[in-house]
Amino acid sequence: DAGVIQSPRHEVTEMGQEVTLRCKPISGHNSLFWYRQTMMRGLELLIYFNNNVPIDDSGMPEDRFSAKMPNASFSTLKIQPSEPRDSAVYFCASSLALAGGLKDTQYFGPGTRLTVL
Amino acid sequence: QQQVKQSPQSLIVQKGGIPIINCAYENTAFDYFPWYQQFPGKGPALLIAIRPDVSEKKEGRFTISFNKSAKQFSLHIMDSQPGDSATYFCAASKGTYKYIFGTGTRLKVLA
Repeated sequence: DAGVIQSPRHEVTEMGQEVTLRCKPISGHNSLFWYRQTMMRGLELLIYFNNNVPIDDSGMPEDRFSAKMPNASFSTLKIQPSEPRDSAVYFCASSLALAGGLKDTQYFGPGTRLTVL
Repeated sequence: QQQVKQSPQSLIVQKGGIPIINCAYENTAFDYFPWYQQFPGKGPALLIAIRPDVSEKKEGRFTISFNKSAKQFSLHIMDSQPGDSATYFCAASKGTYKYIFGTGTRLKVLA
C-alpha cells in the first residue's frame, strides 16, 4: 500500500490567496483526520471524518477553513483567504475505525508544509 | 483537563544509552495511550501503544511504563541508536479517534 498521500508537499502563497490541500487516505480506511502542526501549538486535530461524513470539526480554527470528503478516497482542506498565521505543516491521517470501540491506528501522510507570506 | 504534558522538550544521549520520555495527564477517562515517532520531513508513525489495564508493554527496544494512580506514562528506548534520533510524541485518547498529543520530545542519539 502506498500509504496516505498528500499534495502538494510544499505550498508557498501570498496572504489573501486561496489554498487547497489534498489527501488520499489508505484504501479501505473509513476514518480521515486533518491535523495542523506548529512549533507553538504542536499537533492539533482540525477535523475528523467517518465514512465521508464530518463528525468533529471543533478544531477548525475559523470560517476561513473548510474541509470536504466527497468520496472515500479523497479529501480537501481549503483555506480562504489565507493568512501568515496559517503557516504550518498540515497532516492528513486515516484509520480503520473498528466496531465495538476498539482502538485503531492512525496512519499519517507526509504532510504539506504551507507558508503564507 | 484535556492536556497531555510531555517532558523533556529535548534529550541528547550517547549510543547505547536509555533515553526516557515522560508524559502526564489529568483526564482519568483516557483509555488509550499511543506513542508516535516522527522523522524530519515525515509524518508521525505509531511506535507503540498501551491501555491502562497493563503497567508495562515492550516491543523490541521500546518499552512503555504506565502508572495509572499517578496518571503518568513513559517511553524507554533500550540500547538507543543514532537511527532513533527523531521527535517522539505521546498521546492520549478517550474513545476511538480524538488523540490529545503531547508537545513532543526531540531526541538525538550521538554515535
